[in-house]
Amino acid sequence: AQSVSQHNHHVILSEAASLELGCNYSYGGTVNLFWYVQYPGQHLQLLLKYFSGDPLVKGIKGFEAEFIKSKFSFNLRKPSVQWSDTAEYFCAGLWQAGTALIFGKGTTLSVSS
Amino acid sequence: NAGVTQTPKFRVLKTGQSMTLLCAQDMNHEYMYWYRQDPGMGLRLIHYSVGEGTTAKGEVPDGYNVSRLKKQNFLLGLESAAPSQTSVYFCASSYGRVEAFFGQGTRLTVV
Repeated sequence: AQSVSQHNHHVILSEAASLELGCNYSYGGTVNLFWYVQYPGQHLQLLLKYFSGDPLVKGIKGFEAEFIKSKFSFNLRKPSVQWSDTAEYFCAGLWQAGTALIFGKGTTLSVSS
Repeated sequence: NAGVTQTPKFRVLKTGQSMTLLCAQDMNHEYMYWYRQDPGMGLRLIHYSVGEGTTAKGEVPDGYNVSRLKKQNFLLGLESAAPSQTSVYFCASSYGRVEAFFGQGTRLTVV
């Protein structure tokens, strides 16, 4: 079955630290990949997406992600986090054979100032 | 352009009561979805629709029903609420097999 795994459940960083959140997806054919962010009490917002082409994808708020096909990974990165990045981050996949996004369990990021 | 709007935002139900959650989108999207979000579980798909008059089951459909009588609306019904259905419910819509846009969520508590 198609699935998305996020191995970091809770990440705690100080402001200005670098961030990398892991995301792995299962084999199942062509897949579109997404990172969403959910700020406290709010709905999910799209950070970035990868369909094809350049495997390094840049999104909003200084986030980027790298698609590594050989590792089935789509990790999210940010060089320097801010207190306002405190949120829950979800990786999601949409397979060619599917219709709806399949989400990982999420990673809670806490940034202290 | 309001995007995806969910009604109500909060609700408390007693076990056995019924209710309907309404989702409305003004982006002319064909696809609509209902997810539930539980701590440590991420978002799990309940039901979805790929067009007016069509619905399909997702990962966790038991205890829920849906209807898509109009393209812009997607209703989620709970016929007999159970405490296990305490959750935050998110509706989403998309043009197709691309990114989805989410509503603000409905926090449902079943006591």
